[in-house]
Amino acid sequence: KAGVTQTPRYLIKTRGQQVTLSCSPISGHRSVSWYQQTPGQGLQFLFEYFSETQRNKGNFPGRFSGRQFSNSRSEMNVSTLELGDSALYLCASSDQGARGGYTFGSGTRLTVV
Amino acid sequence: EDKVVQSPLSLVVHEGDTVTLNCSYEVTNFRSLLWYKQEKKAPTFLFMLTSSGIEKKSGRLSSILDKKELFSILNITATQTGDSAVYLCAIVSGSARQLTFGSGTQLTVLP
Repeated sequence: KAGVTQTPRYLIKTRGQQVTLSCSPISGHRSVSWYQQTPGQGLQFLFEYFSETQRNKGNFPGRFSGRQFSNSRSEMNVSTLELGDSALYLCASSDQGARGGYTFGSGTRLTVV
Repeated sequence: EDKVVQSPLSLVVHEGDTVTLNCSYEVTNFRSLLWYKQEKKAPTFLFMLTSSGIEKKSGRLSSILDKKELFSILNITATQTGDSAVYLCAIVSGSARQLTFGSGTQLTVLP
């Protein structure tokens, strides 16, 4: 059973640009959530999608957005990048939403210069 | 607001030692507590705890939850250098479909 796949693995962007990250969950998992990990703030929740609907959103500015497709793959987008957006972005999939365990992908390392 | 506090923040031990990592939490409506191990990138799942007093075991690792005192511990016996990692504790609460993480414990096992 393939795990959670995130692409790309690494990205370098310039301030002001936008970026799109992709996450393919484990086959059969319909819940996908996104987290930002930085040395200062640790792992922080961005948003969660289930069957193409955003069910929950963390405390991040509107520059951070996401969507989920009918095949459960998810994308997150960050517009007008700031230096502080440099982080490891992790995606997690779950087959039981809030009740089950969450399996993480290897993440996308975003560096904003 | 849900809160998870892990201690210690870092720990250095020698191979063969036993370690205990702590996780305390404040939550409005507890559903489950999860432990993860993070070495380089992806946190890997260790345990999910939902009931008090029931120990979960996997090899040299074990964990238990106390819902009355609002904490969990993760024990690692006979530590090996491969156990060196950040250990993360997270809770799932109420209808929130998100994990609230602690800051993690950085464990370093010296040969």
